[in-house]
Parts: sequence; C-alpha cells; structure tokens
Amino acid sequence: QKEVEQNSGPLSVPEGAIASLNCTYSDRVSQSFFWYRQYSGKSPELIMSIYSNGDKEDGRFTAQLNKASQYVSLLIRDSQPSDSATYLCAVKEIGGFKTIFGAGTRLFVKA
Amino acid sequence: EAGVAQSPRYKIIEKRQSVAFWCNPISGHATLYWYQQILGQGPKLLIQFQNNGVVDDSQLPKDRFSAERLKGVDSTLKIQPAKLEDSAVYLCASSSGLSPAGELFFGEGSRLTVL
Repeated sequence: QKEVEQNSGPLSVPEGAIASLNCTYSDRVSQSFFWYRQYSGKSPELIMSIYSNGDKEDGRFTAQLNKASQYVSLLIRDSQPSDSATYLCAVKEIGGFKTIFGAGTRLFVKA
Repeated sequence: EAGVAQSPRYKIIEKRQSVAFWCNPISGHATLYWYQQILGQGPKLLIQFQNNGVVDDSQLPKDRFSAERLKGVDSTLKIQPAKLEDSAVYLCASSSGLSPAGELFFGEGSRLTVL
C-alpha cells in the first residue's frame, strides 16, 4: 500500500516569510504529485501539480520534486494570513487509478 | 462550468440507522471518487468509478457501505447500518480522462454525524 507522509504541524510562520511544506512517499512508481489546499470546513482545492524532477513555479508557490529521494515539497513565498489552511500532499501513478493523500500539514501565517 | 454537486451537506443519524449521499460530477468527467475524511486526517479513498464500472473499492467496508453509479453519471453512497466511527465528511470528486495527471475536483462534501 502506497503511503504518503507529512508532518502534521502546525507550522507557524510570520506574514511575508517563506513557508516550507514537505512530503515523502513510499512507492517508486508514483509519477504525479499534487498539492491541495483545504480551508477549515471546506473541500480540498488543487494549487499545484508536478510530474518531473526539479522545480515548478506558479506565482508565490513553488513545488519541488526529487524522485530519487521520494520527496516532494511546496514553498509559499511572501506568506499571507489567507494562506492559513491545511496543505494536502497527494500522489498518483501514471496510468494508475488511485490518488493517495497524506494527512496534511496545518499552516498558520501570523499577521 | 458547474462544479461537483453533493447532497445533503449535513446529516445527523443514530447508530444502526442508514444514510445515503448523492453526487453529480462535473459534466463529461468519466472518473468519480468517494473519499472519507475523518477530522484531522487526509481523505481516504473508498471507491472509484470509471464511467459506471468500479475501478477500486479495496477500502470500502462492504459489510455496511455500498455505492453505485448507474448510467455513468451521478452516484450514490449508502451506509447501512451506521456506526459511530462513520462520523466523517464524505467527499465526492471527479476527474477528466483527458488530463493525464488526473487532477481531482471536489464537491463541498457531506458531513455525517452518527450519535
């Protein structure tokens, strides 16, 4: 059974700082990686996806993938109080069917 | 484009009673998922449909949970009889087969409380 591990947090950062969220996964055939944001009482929403080793940037968000180390991370630059949420890491095999989620990391951005 | 629709949003029942949740995916999305999210945990896949066929139901407690997706569009998840540990948010999600990565789009969820 594929496992996705995240530090549950909470991770607390001051406004304007960089928040770094980490995720490891157990299965080497995992090929697609996602970061979902979930506000309290709301459903997850996709914020980043990454498929190749290296960095992928989208606005204030950067996803980093290292398949050899089975590690994926999310950096949030210039963190804002509105970024306070739980961030879920998810992995999926190419051509596979399951998307497996980690338990999520709670992020608090202090104004 | 309309999103994933779910109902009811909230349901409170006594243990041993039954409950049903309904989901209508984004139009054209062939893949439909039901996830269970217990407070403080990540979503756990219960069942996945491709059109009207079951792709994976390995974590569905089949003695009490059932799901169907007739005609390959909307889906119903049923719990009978409910247990206290079934208290959770039941999330329906859909994805398009045109997306190789398979991003999921979630509905607002159905929050179940079993007393």
